[in-house]
Amino acid sequence: KAGVTQTPRYLIKTRGQQVTLSCSPISGHRSVSWYQQTPGQGLQFLFEYFSETQRNKGNFPGRFSGRQFSNSRSEMNVSTLELGDSALYLCASSLDGVGYTFGSGTRLTVV
Amino acid sequence: DQQVKQNSPSLSVQEGRISILNCDYTNSMFDYFLWYKKYPAEGPTFLISISSIKDKNEDGRFTVFLNKSAKHLSLHIVPSQPGDSAVYFCAGRGNKLVFGAGTILRVKS
Repeated sequence: KAGVTQTPRYLIKTRGQQVTLSCSPISGHRSVSWYQQTPGQGLQFLFEYFSETQRNKGNFPGRFSGRQFSNSRSEMNVSTLELGDSALYLCASSLDGVGYTFGSGTRLTVV
Repeated sequence: DQQVKQNSPSLSVQEGRISILNCDYTNSMFDYFLWYKKYPAEGPTFLISISSIKDKNEDGRFTVFLNKSAKHLSLHIVPSQPGDSAVYFCAGRGNKLVFGAGTILRVKS
């Protein structure tokens, strides 16, 4: 059974650019959540999608957005990148809302 | 507002001994608590969870204890092995998962 797949694994962008990250959940999982991990900050919740609807949103500026498609795949977009956006972005999918399986993440570096 | 706190940034333990990782929370509405382990360059891996109506859950070498009155939970690893060296995150589940900042565990052989 395939796990959660995130692409790309690594990304380098310039300040002011925008970026789109992709997440394919485990087959059958309809909930997809996104987290940002920075050193010393743990995992900060970005948003959660369920059946193409945003169910929850964290305390991030509007530059961070996401969407979910009918096949449950999800994308997150960050516009007008800032140096502070450099982080590991993790996606997690869930079947039951208790067990969350994470992907390996996308390491974004903004220069 | 840090609803979940892991106050120890790191912990070093000898192989074969017990590792105790601690976590405090403020949100009484969490209905589940989860522990994840994370290696560098990988996503977090689910370890063990506990319902808020329980006070203990055990799975092999891993046991989680929940003290609701103190709003405190702990993860015990017995015996600790070098492969357990990783970052450990606790999380509370409300309408989303809220994670602590993590504790780096080093198990020395």
